[in-house]
Amino acid sequence: KNEVEQSPQNLTAQEGEFITINCSYSVGISALHWLQQHPGGGIVSLFMLSSGKKKHGRLIATINIQEKHSSLHITASHPRDSAVYICAGNTDKLIFGTGTRLQVFP
Amino acid sequence: DTGVSQDPRHKITKRGQNVTFRCDPISEHNRLYWYRQTLGQGPEFLTYFQNEAQLEKSRLLSDRFSAERPKGSFSTLEIQRTEQGDSAMYLCASSWGAEAFFGQGTRLTVV
Repeated sequence: KNEVEQSPQNLTAQEGEFITINCSYSVGISALHWLQQHPGGGIVSLFMLSSGKKKHGRLIATINIQEKHSSLHITASHPRDSAVYICAGNTDKLIFGTGTRLQVFP
Repeated sequence: DTGVSQDPRHKITKRGQNVTFRCDPISEHNRLYWYRQTLGQGPEFLTYFQNEAQLEKSRLLSDRFSAERPKGSFSTLEIQRTEQGDSAMYLCASSWGAEAFFGQGTRLTVV
């Protein structure tokens, strides 16, 4: 049983749309990472959250500790945002969600 | 270089051969993780080290797999008698506290 659940698995959008990817996690996870992986590429860390909200450019990540839920938002999406987005929780090791494959079309 | 580096980036091997991958973590990071990622899936945990001690191994890590982290610095992951099902991206990450950094991965293709 995966302790980190992501949704949706696949997401398509038109350029300019607002994107939301959700992640739910179980008890015992002390921090949550949002990661980006382009096709054939390595993993890039976008955010690490243990509370509140973080923003970097067009990316916003939020976390609700009580509800054990985090969201990644992309404002004004662009085709270069097309990638797999993965949330990963910290226990004594990192536990990964299955990823959300995002495709943004021009 | 301040990142996590993995070597090689790509490896093609014949079934039955042994392969070894290396991961150099960020120097002050005490934890080092190995993951495997197959196409279309999220990374799956294989094993992790705190300093030189291997603290946990996944059931995915069969007897053909072994990992070491001598002196708590770099780590190696060896796969003996490779099988086609071993074809995957092998990812390494290191951390100090909650923040983790990821290597670019080693893509293994077993033919």
